Amino acid sequence: GENVEQHPSTLSVQEGDSAVIKCTYSDSASNYFPWYKQELGKRPQLIIDIRSNVGEKKDQRIAVTLNKTAKHFSLHITETQPEDSAVYFCAASTGGFKTIFGAGTRLFVKA
Amino acid sequence: GEEVAQTPKHLVRGEGQKAKLYCAPIKGHSYVFWYQQVLKNEFKFLISFQNENVFDETGMPKERFSAKCLPNSPCSLEIQATKLEDSAVYFCASSQGGGLAVNEQFFGPGTRLTVL
Repeated sequence: GENVEQHPSTLSVQEGDSAVIKCTYSDSASNYFPWYKQELGKRPQLIIDIRSNVGEKKDQRIAVTLNKTAKHFSLHITETQPEDSAVYFCAASTGGFKTIFGAGTRLFVKA
Repeated sequence: GEEVAQTPKHLVRGEGQKAKLYCAPIKGHSYVFWYQQVLKNEFKFLISFQNENVFDETGMPKERFSAKCLPNSPCSLEIQATKLEDSAVYFCASSQGGGLAVNEQFFGPGTRLTVL
């Protein structure tokens, strides 16, 4: 069945450093790739997304890259801040009707 | 409304009892999704709706889980004969578009189900 693998499961960085989270997906029909941030006890919130016709997208300190051939996409956070600490989930969606999430990456940003 | 609403916030059931969760999508959103999150990770897709029509239910354990989205009513997710492993936070999400117009899913605050 469809599957999204996410690595690493835990990531600890020093404030100001960059953080990179990587995901691979199995369903070649996937056409939408959102990234969500979930703080403890709260709902997931979209931080950035990318569609299958685009290779890269940037929004201030956050960027996402997509390699459709390799079925691989990554989240890059630059100049990390303590408030970036949270669990980050990648997801792959096929037509928006079914979204498969990765297992999550717990990011710790040390001040 | 401007946010996805879910009720109740917490639900406690004895094993074997029924549980029913409700979700009101954002007004104007045609797509509704249910997810199960166990142990604060591992979002599992359960089912999606386009208006009142089931679109994808491949994630649903059909023998005990059922869901509906009826016109002019909140969507619901019902679990018959709950089991201990059903303990999780159930999130509902809604989005405006699908297919080629797929876009952001907005999540509700979740319902924490505890099965004792």
